[in-house]
Amino acid sequence: DTEVTQTPKHLVMGMTNKKSLKCEQHMGHRAMYWYKQKAKKPPELMFVYSYEKLSINESVPSRFSPECPNSSLLNLHLHALQPEDSALYLCASSHGVEQLNQPQHFGDGTRLSIL
Amino acid sequence: QQQVKQSPQSLIVQKGGISIINCAYENTAFDYFPWYQQFPGKGPALLIAIRPDVSEKKEGRFTISFNKSAKQFSLHIMDSQPGDSATYFCAARNLDYKLSFGAGTTVTVRA
Repeated sequence: DTEVTQTPKHLVMGMTNKKSLKCEQHMGHRAMYWYKQKAKKPPELMFVYSYEKLSINESVPSRFSPECPNSSLLNLHLHALQPEDSALYLCASSHGVEQLNQPQHFGDGTRLSIL
Repeated sequence: QQQVKQSPQSLIVQKGGISIINCAYENTAFDYFPWYQQFPGKGPALLIAIRPDVSEKKEGRFTISFNKSAKQFSLHIMDSQPGDSATYFCAARNLDYKLSFGAGTTVTVRA
């Protein structure tokens, strides 16, 4: 079991739906990340939160909206997604963005399918 | 443009053999090099990591060799087991704290 918990594990939604992905960690980490991973590809960074503030947005379309309610929780709000957005969405956390030798720990992801 | 080049794309090794995965980079600002192991349906799990001032690091059957002057690093899996069958990603951390991942290597260990 990973220490980063993501829910739901699977999500199927239509292009007009609104849904949210959730991520939780209780390791005291102050940096949290969203990644998108397509089949047989490496993870692609979407967003980085550092001390609950958005520090990096990798030019992600506005149909993806991140939120960090507190230091343990990270949400990704989804609206009007496209079929090409179908992928595995991974959450990760680390002690701090700037700390050396502190790896990112990943959850097992949410498998998202857009109909 | 991929900042970390990983090879091979896939490899097959017999049980008990050695698996070797290579990565190369150009950006000398990278300061941390982790390797991740990913099983189907799971997220990447940190396997082992190294700093550029260390030439080798070993954890159990897994060893990273790092050649700073050549800007290359590699993962060796000794005594490969069927349970090691997975996709392996090398990565490098930049000054902006982002991780650049290699393209991944699918390792199949035949019993």
